[in-house]
Amino acid sequence: DTGVSQNPRHKITKRGQNVTFRCDPISEHNRLYWYRQTLGQGPEFLTYFQNEAQLEKSRLLSDRFSAERPKGSFSTLEIQRTEQGDSAMYLCASSPRGSSLNEQFFGPGTRLTVL
Amino acid sequence: AQSVTQLGSHVSVSEGALVLLRCNYSSSVPPYLFWYVQYPNQGLQLLLKYTSAATLVKGINGFEAEFKKSETSFHLTKPSAHMSDAAEYFCAVSLNTGANSKLTFGKGITLSVRP
Repeated sequence: DTGVSQNPRHKITKRGQNVTFRCDPISEHNRLYWYRQTLGQGPEFLTYFQNEAQLEKSRLLSDRFSAERPKGSFSTLEIQRTEQGDSAMYLCASSPRGSSLNEQFFGPGTRLTVL
Repeated sequence: AQSVTQLGSHVSVSEGALVLLRCNYSSSVPPYLFWYVQYPNQGLQLLLKYTSAATLVKGINGFEAEFKKSETSFHLTKPSAHMSDAAEYFCAVSLNTGANSKLTFGKGITLSVRP
């Protein structure tokens, strides 16, 4: 399968713990996005990478959130000191180099439950 | 800035009936528009996209949508619903500027198909 992959698919953690999610985009896609989706809502933009550079962060991304994309390949999203309000589906998407159509390909998501 | 409004959270149709899911957008520049489908516990799959070419766009699984600038709408239709169409549908907009192409989603509509 050559689509976007995300790991883990599910994560249950206790409040106050740190968690890290990984996203592997489609090979040679240089744009990578993270979104958060809470129950009954559409996905909301969190952050965007072009290659290894993080070019935009949403105000939704508090100081407890950090994302990286070393070497412009996979990306990680870390949440420190998790809160119950962080419970959501975290979606990753990638877009091909030179795409003028803004089409994004989504992974299956990581569902986070904070107890 | 851009936004999407999807009126109503739930639509129910009989198998074989017309499907109509409404989407209105707001954008300061000519937009790209998308419809995505999401099945339970899965990521988003692109149904179709409008990128300033033809105003009537055909997508996968028999869906199509028509871009109407005067009405700022991009409604999704399918002539005959199938049981497998039951899912959540999201309309999304991105800016046609070549810059950060983050997607802004509506809240989504759950489609139920009755036998």
